[in-house]
Amino acid sequence: DSGVTQTPKHLITATGQRVTLRCSPRSGDLSVYWYQQSLDQGLQFLIQYYNGEERAKGNILERFSAQQFPDLHSELNLSSLELGDSALYFCASSSRMGNEQFFGPGTRLTVL
Amino acid sequence: QKEVEQDPGPLSVPEGAIVSLNCTYSNSAFQYFMWYRQYSRKGPELLMYTYSSGNKEDGRFTAQVDKSSKYISLFIRDSQPSDSATYLCAMSPYNTDKLIFGTGTRLQVFP
Repeated sequence: DSGVTQTPKHLITATGQRVTLRCSPRSGDLSVYWYQQSLDQGLQFLIQYYNGEERAKGNILERFSAQQFPDLHSELNLSSLELGDSALYFCASSSRMGNEQFFGPGTRLTVL
Repeated sequence: QKEVEQDPGPLSVPEGAIVSLNCTYSNSAFQYFMWYRQYSRKGPELLMYTYSSGNKEDGRFTAQVDKSSKYISLFIRDSQPSDSATYLCAMSPYNTDKLIFGTGTRLQVFP
C-alpha cells in the first residue's frame, strides 16, 4: 500500500457526461500528479499540482481540468466524455520536487 | 521515435533465473531514473529510484544507469513467480517532475 488513495475504483458512464475523480496523497506529500494509462498510449502524464498551485502540464485535453485543495487532496474533472477517454487514471504523490512518486490504485473509467 | 523505448516482451523465465530488463532513451536531459512494477489492474509500485549514472542495489534488485549510452537496466536475481508483472521504466529531466514512461515489459516467471 503506497498510502495514496483514489476514489472511486470503477466508474461507468456515457458519452457526453462529466465525472470527477478524487485523490488523497500520502501524509505530508505536497505534490500530486495525474496520469492516464491506456492500452495504446501507455502511461501519460497529465498534470501536476504542488501545494495548491499548478506546476506542470502534460498532454491534458482542454475538456479535462484539475485542482488541489487546501487539505492537499486533488480532483480531476473530465467533461464531454468520449469513448476514447476510457482508461485507467492514476494519481501519484511525492514529498518534494524531484523526488520519487508513489502511485495510487487508480480509477478505471469506462465510457459507453 | 519515442523518448523512451522498452521491449514489451513478454519475457518468460524459469524460477531462480536472473532477469535483465532494459530501456533506452533519447533525451540527454533525463537525470532521474525509476523502475516500477505493475501487477494487472493495479497501480505502479516504485521499485528503484536512481539519480544520474551508476548502480544501486536493493535486495534482489539492481538498477544500472549508463548516461553515456542512454541506457538503463534492472536486474532481478533469483526470480520468483511472484515477480510476474509488467515492469515500467520511467525518467524525468532535472527541471521537471514529469515522468516519461516506457511501454513496459511483461515478465512471466514459471515454477
